[in-house]
Amino acid sequence: AQSVAQPEDQVNVAEGNPLTVKCTYSVSGNPYLFWYVQYPNRGLQFLLKYITGDNLVKGSYGFEAEFNKSQTSFHLKKPSALVSDSALYFCAVRHYGGGADGLTFGKGTHLIIQP
Amino acid sequence: EPEVTQTPSHQVTQMGQEVILRCVPISNHLYFYWYRQILGQKVEFLVSFYNNEISEKSEIFDDQFSVERPDGSNFTLKIRSTKLEDSAMYFCASTHPGHTDTQYFGPGTRLTVL
Repeated sequence: AQSVAQPEDQVNVAEGNPLTVKCTYSVSGNPYLFWYVQYPNRGLQFLLKYITGDNLVKGSYGFEAEFNKSQTSFHLKKPSALVSDSALYFCAVRHYGGGADGLTFGKGTHLIIQP
Repeated sequence: EPEVTQTPSHQVTQMGQEVILRCVPISNHLYFYWYRQILGQKVEFLVSFYNNEISEKSEIFDDQFSVERPDGSNFTLKIRSTKLEDSAMYFCASTHPGHTDTQYFGPGTRLTVL
């Protein structure tokens, strides 16, 4: 069975500072890894994904994530946080070649950017 | 930019009643999914659908649930006899056949069972 752990319920960062939201995963075989963001009363918006290739992937709104196979991690990062980045962030995993398989999500991390 | 749409945005029903949640996936997508998110909890996979049949389903997706693509655009989730614990946000998602790795989600339907 596959699983995702987001160890922090909430991350607080001052505007302009770098941010990191942590994610570790467990999956058989090679993983597909994703980050989604959810704003209040909204659906899930795709931010970025790792499928294969470079371990550092770049996505929307200046976010990036680093895939670390040995640590089974896929932490979300941004060099300089904006107040508008405040939202709920979900990490998700699917095993490689799963076709129509569903995603397994972590419990989410509230990111709060303080002005 | 094309989006997944869902109707209604909020559905209130009495326990034991049937509900149908509707989704219009992105037009050239062929894989469809339903997820649910109970308030304060994580998003959970329910079912995936391709080529007019269920591809995969979770243990949550029991006999009370069914999915259908009644026409070329809609994708529906039916709950036959709702329970209090079915109260949740239900999300539809779809993927392009050439890029099945990325699922695009709709805004969700909030189901409240009284």
